[in-house]
Amino acid sequence: KAGVTQTPRYLIKTRGQQVTLSCSPISGHRSVSWYQQTPGQGLQFLFEYFSETQRNKGNFPGRFSGRQFSNSRSEMNVSTLELGDSALYLCASSFVASQGGNTIYFGEGSWLTVV
Amino acid sequence: AQSVTQPDIHITVSEGASLELRCNYSYGATPYLFWYVQSPGQGLQLLLKYFSGDTLVQGIKGFEAEFKRSQSSFNLRKPSVHWSDAAEYFCAVGAGRRDSGGGADGLTFGKGTHLIIQP
Repeated sequence: KAGVTQTPRYLIKTRGQQVTLSCSPISGHRSVSWYQQTPGQGLQFLFEYFSETQRNKGNFPGRFSGRQFSNSRSEMNVSTLELGDSALYLCASSFVASQGGNTIYFGEGSWLTVV
Repeated sequence: AQSVTQPDIHITVSEGASLELRCNYSYGATPYLFWYVQSPGQGLQLLLKYFSGDTLVQGIKGFEAEFKRSQSSFNLRKPSVHWSDAAEYFCAVGAGRRDSGGGADGLTFGKGTHLIIQP
C-alpha cells in the first residue's frame, strides 16, 4: 500500500511568487492535513480537509490556502511568498473512523526555499 | 488550548543503553497521544499511539510508551538503543473527533528531542 506522496520534494521560489504543493493520501484515507515545519517554530498545523471541505485551520495568514479534490488528493497554495515561508511542508492523511482517534500518517514533505 | 512539552532538547545515550524521552501534555479531556520519529531530511514516521485502554503501548522498532494521566505524561522508552535510532523524536497530542462526523483535528507537537547515540 503506497504511503502519502508529496510533490515536488524540493523547490526554490522568489519572494512575491506563489507556490502550489500537492499531496496524494493513502488509498482510502479521506482526511488530509498540512503542517509547516521550521527550525524556529517547529511543527505547526496549517489546515485539514475532509470530503473536500476545510474542517480545521491553524493560525496562519490568508496567504496560505488549500483545497481537496473528490479523489481526496489535496493541494496547498502559498501566495506572495516571504522569506519566512521557507520550510518543510508536510502532508498527512488519516482514515476517518466514526468515533475515536485517527492514526495520522505523514509524507516525506516538500522543502520550500524562498530567496 | 492543548500543548506539549518535551523538556529535553538533546539527549545522548550510549549504544545498548536504555532510553527514556519525556513528554508532558496539557489538554482538558482525554487526549490522543502520538510519538513520531524524523530522520534528517525525511518526513515523520509514527512510532506508536495511545487512544484508550491499556496505558502501556507498544510501538515499532522496540519502542514503548506509558500514558500517566495523573502526571499528564506520555514518556517514550526503549530498553536498548541502536545507532540507527539517532533521530529527532516528536511527541504530539490530538483532540480527535468523538462524534460521528469523524475527522482528525490538527495535532499539536512538542519541539522535539534530538537523540544522539554514542558508540
